[in-house]
Amino acid sequence: QQPVQSPQAVILREGEDAVINCSSSKALYSVHWYRQKHGEAPVFLMILLKGGEQKGHEKISASFNEKKQQSSLYLTASQLSYSGTYFCGTIGFTGTASKLTFGTGTRLQVTL
Amino acid sequence: EPEVTQTPSHQVTQMGQEVILRCVPISNHLYFYWYRQILGQKVEFLVSFYNNEISEKSEIFDDQFSVERPDGSNFTLKIRSTKLEDSAMYFCASSEQETQYFGPGTRLLVL
Repeated sequence: QQPVQSPQAVILREGEDAVINCSSSKALYSVHWYRQKHGEAPVFLMILLKGGEQKGHEKISASFNEKKQQSSLYLTASQLSYSGTYFCGTIGFTGTASKLTFGTGTRLQVTL
Repeated sequence: EPEVTQTPSHQVTQMGQEVILRCVPISNHLYFYWYRQILGQKVEFLVSFYNNEISEKSEIFDDQFSVERPDGSNFTLKIRSTKLEDSAMYFCASSEQETQYFGPGTRLLVL
């Protein structure tokens, strides 16, 4: 089942903050966050496995709620290099723990 | 830093032709994957591979598709008879455990 991402797109000025959300109707085994620049491969940012978990550093961090149905990616004091499309990829409890199901992505543009 | 590599970077083929996309996963990884991304859309799972067999495959991965690990380093995706709708970016990924690392992709154009 495909996770739902919001917002679809966001434009920021350099130094502003953004939050990207990823929601599932069922509890998840894990959430994986990737950033993809145009014409390039998705680059792994972080993985969250535990309910209530928060990880990352002060600039880019993520959380996973207690029910393991929602994750948020926090981009603080954005830089031009943050521009790209952010995808959450989820792994559910059914089937094998190998198939990443990606959300539709959030296009982030950071301007001067 | 080790990375997943893919060849070719671009492939143009005629409808009905066979193509083989090649990947070299990160050397100590045991799990391998193929994903595709149609232009402007999300990344879609095709197949996962572990211990020389398919672990899981999606509805997209029909009889026209096959995967192989012909030797200790390469992992290939074959499309037997390409269709126009197979035009996409194909990504290989590998993992040791949870985290999947993606290769740079092969852009396939079917004419």
